Amino acid sequence: GQNIDQPTEMTATEGAIVQINCTYQTSGFNGLFWYQQHAGEAPTFLSYNVLDGLEEKGRFSSFLSRSKGYSYLLLKELQMKDSASYLCAVRDFESWGKLQFGAGTQVVVTP
Amino acid sequence: DGGITQSPKYLFRKEGQNVTLSCEQNLNHDAMYWYRQDPGQGLRLIYYSQIVNDFQKGDIAEGYSVSREKKESFPLTVTSAQKNPTAFYLCASSMGRNNNEQFFGPGTRLTVL
Repeated sequence: GQNIDQPTEMTATEGAIVQINCTYQTSGFNGLFWYQQHAGEAPTFLSYNVLDGLEEKGRFSSFLSRSKGYSYLLLKELQMKDSASYLCAVRDFESWGKLQFGAGTQVVVTP
Repeated sequence: DGGITQSPKYLFRKEGQNVTLSCEQNLNHDAMYWYRQDPGQGLRLIYYSQIVNDFQKGDIAEGYSVSREKKESFPLTVTSAQKNPTAFYLCASSMGRNNNEQFFGPGTRLTVL
């Protein structure tokens, strides 16, 4: 199985940048996903990395290093609506296609 | 509009009763999943189905049962054998095992009194 770690909570100011780290251990890595989840709502897909490097999508970017078992999600120009939980999830070859989720990082954006 | 629907949004049941949560999708997805989320924890997989009439246990299947008689529907029954059933239940679907994205329904918050 996988072991996925991410910080519990991060606080940042509106307009700033926040980086959410995620480390994982898996025997047959086959992709890493980031989801955003507002309280009481369904998670929504943000990004997917399967090769090393940076994927940029507007204000959000995600980075992956497979050799280090490490990813980060970078949120730029923070807005109040970015206050949410950010979930890191890993897929591996052995578990068919199932995702293993981390506990999530609660990001609080302050004025 | 294509998507996944779960109903109801909130559900209350007495201890000892079985309860079935519905999940319907019109995305023509082959794979469907049920997750449970508890406060401060990530999503944990209960059951998943790759194709109609087939399903597999996830990490925490004990006390739950599912069926997949139609491609569009994947209902979850929370039985009286589930020790701590109060939780937020999320259904998801994807095209298949290597599809990049799982789409989630709005969730059902089950409270057992």
